[in-house]
Amino acid sequence: DAKTTQPNSMESNEEEPVHLPCNHSTISGTDYIHWYRQLPSQGPEYVIHGLTSNVNNRMASLAIAEDRKSSTLILHRATLRDAAVYYCILRDIEGAGSYQLTFGKGTKLSVIP
Amino acid sequence: DAMVIQNPRYQVTQFGKPVTLSCSQTLNHNVMYWYQQKSSQAPKLLFHYYDKDFNNEADTPDNFQSRRPNTSFCFLDIRSPGLGDAAMYLCATSSNRGGQPQHFGDGTRLSIL
Repeated sequence: DAKTTQPNSMESNEEEPVHLPCNHSTISGTDYIHWYRQLPSQGPEYVIHGLTSNVNNRMASLAIAEDRKSSTLILHRATLRDAAVYYCILRDIEGAGSYQLTFGKGTKLSVIP
Repeated sequence: DAMVIQNPRYQVTQFGKPVTLSCSQTLNHNVMYWYQQKSSQAPKLLFHYYDKDFNNEADTPDNFQSRRPNTSFCFLDIRSPGLGDAAMYLCATSSNRGGQPQHFGDGTRLSIL
């Protein structure tokens, strides 16, 4: 799987937007960009995914650079419940390993009340 | 609510004593996965079932085995647990092996005495 690079940690104030960056300079044309998060003492939770166009859902927005070498997960209004480790993962859905979620180190997001 | 359920949440066993962790799902998904997550590390895939077809990751130790008696249940067997097997074990499901999101349980934390 292509590699992703994320900051180790970030902080945000409650009720402010949060932009979590992810670099994936070696992304291939068939790699989807997936985001998961893991709250303390819980299993990972799917957040959002996309290929080329920006995506929105009830949890977050995903902004994908035009060259696809980077992306940003946007939480529009951080709450204390959003404090978690956020993982940016590339999945080649056409490859033999398409079933795989290869987790990197992720970004630990702290939300300050 | 449909979900992935892991029991128990905490399991303690003795060094070398076989232990079985269980996972059930009400999502009727074809694919079930087992991940190992050691303290302060990212989850790491051990193996997965696509229906009844078992797929082992190349670096999964022989000490770890799995059974899937039906669509809803999957078990992780550790034949002779060592101190290095202390970890959180996460079960996940997905509707297929492609790009569909994986749904995780909250894990079983295994301690070895």
